[in-house]
Amino acid sequence: DAKTTQPNSMESNEEEPVHLPCNHSTISGTDYIHWYRQLPSQGPEYVIHGLTSNVNNRMASLAIAEDRKSSTLILHRATLRDAAVYYCILRDAPYAGGTSYGKLTFGQGTILTVHP
Amino acid sequence: DTAVSQTPKYLVTQMGNDKSIKCEQNLGHDTMYWYKQDSKKFLKIMFSYNNKELIINETVPNRFSPKSPDKAHLNLHINSLELGDSAVYFCASSHALGRGPPDTQYFGPGTRLTVL
Repeated sequence: DAKTTQPNSMESNEEEPVHLPCNHSTISGTDYIHWYRQLPSQGPEYVIHGLTSNVNNRMASLAIAEDRKSSTLILHRATLRDAAVYYCILRDAPYAGGTSYGKLTFGQGTILTVHP
Repeated sequence: DTAVSQTPKYLVTQMGNDKSIKCEQNLGHDTMYWYKQDSKKFLKIMFSYNNKELIINETVPNRFSPKSPDKAHLNLHINSLELGDSAVYFCASSHALGRGPPDTQYFGPGTRLTVL
């Protein structure tokens, strides 16, 4: 499975934007970029995913570099509830028949601390 | 109206015992998963079932046996529990694989297993 690299931890103040980077220099053409987060004592939850174009949803935005070797998850206004571990994960499209078919391969993720 | 539920939430038991963790999803999904999160917080796939058929078994010891009585349930039975089995176990579900982009996985709240 293609690997991702994220900073171990980041800090932010409440109400400020947060940019969480992810490097994935070995990404293949069929890999989707997914972000999940895990709040304390909870199961992971889906945040956003994309393939080539930037994506927005109610939780966050995903900015994907033109060469797709890196991406950034953007939380526009951090709240205390956004304190979590954020995971950047590459997933093959099912039709690509890759080994990540049907599973999420979690790395260490980035621990985001939000200060009041 | 919980989407993915697990029981029990906490499980404390002695080495050598046999125990089960139950998982149910009411999302109408065809695919279910078990993940293990160890003391270092690494999350790792254990099993995946698609339409009650095992499709992923990530070299988990055969003391672990998943059982899917129907598409809405995937239970995890563990024989002869060992100290190293202590972890948080998460169940997840998603739509059937092979339908377009990799699909979102929805996680349960986790079961914290402590083996004494």
